[in-house]
Parts: sequence; C-alpha cells; structure tokens
Amino acid sequence: LAKTTQPISMDSYEGQEVNITCSHNNIATNDYITWYQQFPSQGPRFIIQGYKTKVTNEVASLFIPADRKSSTLSLPRVSLSDTAVYYCLVSKNMRFGAGTRLTVKP
Amino acid sequence: NAGVMQNPRHLVRRRGQEARLRCSPMKGHSHVYWYRQLPEEGLKFMVYLQKENIIDESGMPKERFSAEFPKEGPSILRIQQVVRGDSAAYFCASSPGYATNEKLFFGSGTQLSVL
Repeated sequence: LAKTTQPISMDSYEGQEVNITCSHNNIATNDYITWYQQFPSQGPRFIIQGYKTKVTNEVASLFIPADRKSSTLSLPRVSLSDTAVYYCLVSKNMRFGAGTRLTVKP
Repeated sequence: NAGVMQNPRHLVRRRGQEARLRCSPMKGHSHVYWYRQLPEEGLKFMVYLQKENIIDESGMPKERFSAEFPKEGPSILRIQQVVRGDSAAYFCASSPGYATNEKLFFGSGTQLSVL
C-alpha cells in the first residue's frame, strides 16, 4: 500500500494561492489520489480526486505529474475559512497520514 | 438523502464501563470504515467492514474493541472496560463500493470521554 508524505503545517494569508504537495512514491498503477479537508470537531470531507494531469473543480485544482509520484493541491485565493487540515489519500489505502494543517491569517 | 449518521455525538463513560458507538452509512453504501482521532493528530484507521463481514481489522486493538456491521441496522463499534486512553473522537465513513476511485463520506463523529 502506498504511503503518503505531506508537510505538517503551512501558513498563508487571505487572498493568496496555497499549494500543498503530497509525495506517494509507491503509488500503484490503478490508484487514484484523493484529497480531504477537515475542520475542527468535524469529519473530513472530500475535496478533489484525480488520476493524472490536472483536475479542477469549484473548490480546488489538483496537479499530478506524469510519474504520479506526487500531487499538489492548489487552493486559489484562500480565506480564513480555509483554515483546516488537508489529507491526501492514495486508494485503495484508506489510511490517513497526519495531514497538513493550513492556517490562513488575515 | 441523509449523510452518514453517527450517534451519540458525545458519550461520557467511567472507567470500566462499556461504550457503544453507532454509525448509519449513507443510503446505498455497504462499506463502513472506523477511525480514531486524538486531539491535534491525524485519523488512525481502525477497521473496515462490509455488510456482515469484517474485511480489515488490522488497526483495531486486539482486546476490548470489536466492531460489527449487521445485515440490518447500523454499524457498531464497541469498547469494553473503557480506560482514560480511549478518550478520543471516533469517526466512521461509508462508501458504496471498493473501487479504486472510491470516495469516503464521513459522519460528524462521536466524542468519547472517559472519566
């Protein structure tokens, strides 16, 4: 099962773009990359999922290079409400790592 | 379409008592996962169940903890003879299947406090 590595924490300011990178060197051919967001005292919620290249939705973009050994979650113009913990998962491994604690400052 | 429902939201137990946590998956979902989360830490996988079957319980302590997902009714995580170290938030998630692009849908969690 592929293991993921993310930065423990990141700080940003309102209006900036935030990029969080996840390493998954042992990703399998049929694995997808899924990102979740968790606010305090709540369960995680799905943000975005991709297999290769780029995926964009109303919340974020996900960039995956050709070798798929890493992925980058991009949050455009963050606000204070984006302060949360972000996890990347490589399916079918439903194990969460420590995630990245993003703090957005005014 | 109701989401994943967990109850109770908060549960207080004294040392030595039993704790029962319930999880009703989303309609149409037959796969349930349980996680434990300590303050300021990530989610720790405990167990993965399908209807009437435990598929992977490698993250669950061998003693005092058990889980089930009966044919009818919610999934239950049971902790016997609770100790203070069991105090944590317990989240369950459900998915419709086990495809490689499966997404997890989480409940709001049960906060267990052991006095």
